[in-house]
Amino acid sequence: EAGVAQSPRYKIIEKRQSVAFWCNPISGHATLYWYQQILGQGPKLLIQFQNNGVVDDSQLPKDRFSAERLKGVDSTLKIQPAKLEDSAVYLCASNRAGGLAGTDTQYFGPGTRLTVL
Amino acid sequence: LAKTTQPISMDSYEGQEVNITCSHNNIATNDYITWYQQFPSQGPRFIIQGYKTKVTNEVASLFIPADRKSSTLSLPRVSLSDTAVYYCLVAWDFKTIFGAGTRLFVKA
Repeated sequence: EAGVAQSPRYKIIEKRQSVAFWCNPISGHATLYWYQQILGQGPKLLIQFQNNGVVDDSQLPKDRFSAERLKGVDSTLKIQPAKLEDSAVYLCASNRAGGLAGTDTQYFGPGTRLTVL
Repeated sequence: LAKTTQPISMDSYEGQEVNITCSHNNIATNDYITWYQQFPSQGPRFIIQGYKTKVTNEVASLFIPADRKSSTLSLPRVSLSDTAVYYCLVAWDFKTIFGAGTRLFVKA
């Protein structure tokens, strides 16, 4: 079974530029998560999709961050314009989310390391 | 949402048993306790999950007392490759919050 795919693995941009990250979850997984992980901290949930609907985006800085999962499969996270403090690893995860969602294991991709100069 | 508290770091030697305790004083009735492991430059990886008493798999054991206000991850006979960050999560109803985790450093 293929894992969660993310691209690119690394990205360096200057502040005020735009950037987009792509995630392809494990086949059949209904729930998709985007996390931001700043160096030395645990992952922070930005947005959670159930199929193509948003379940939780309470911690997404909506003035600059956007995400979509139009067909309920792969997803794109965009930052426009980027700030220095957006430098972090952006992790995508997925799970089946059937039944008791809290018990479903999340499977993580390798992440995209973003550096904003 | 239940939040968790873990030690920031721990050191151990190869071959020792390591126990990492997590406090979750306001855990709710429906909350499960899940532990993840993260190596540098990788995403977190599921280790073990439990609701009460004891759970064991091929990697670790998870001990949960009756009041469920804490849990202990036990790693038997650690090796150098177990050096990683370990996260304790309490999750229910689509909500998951990662804390800062515990950095375990295994020495030879």
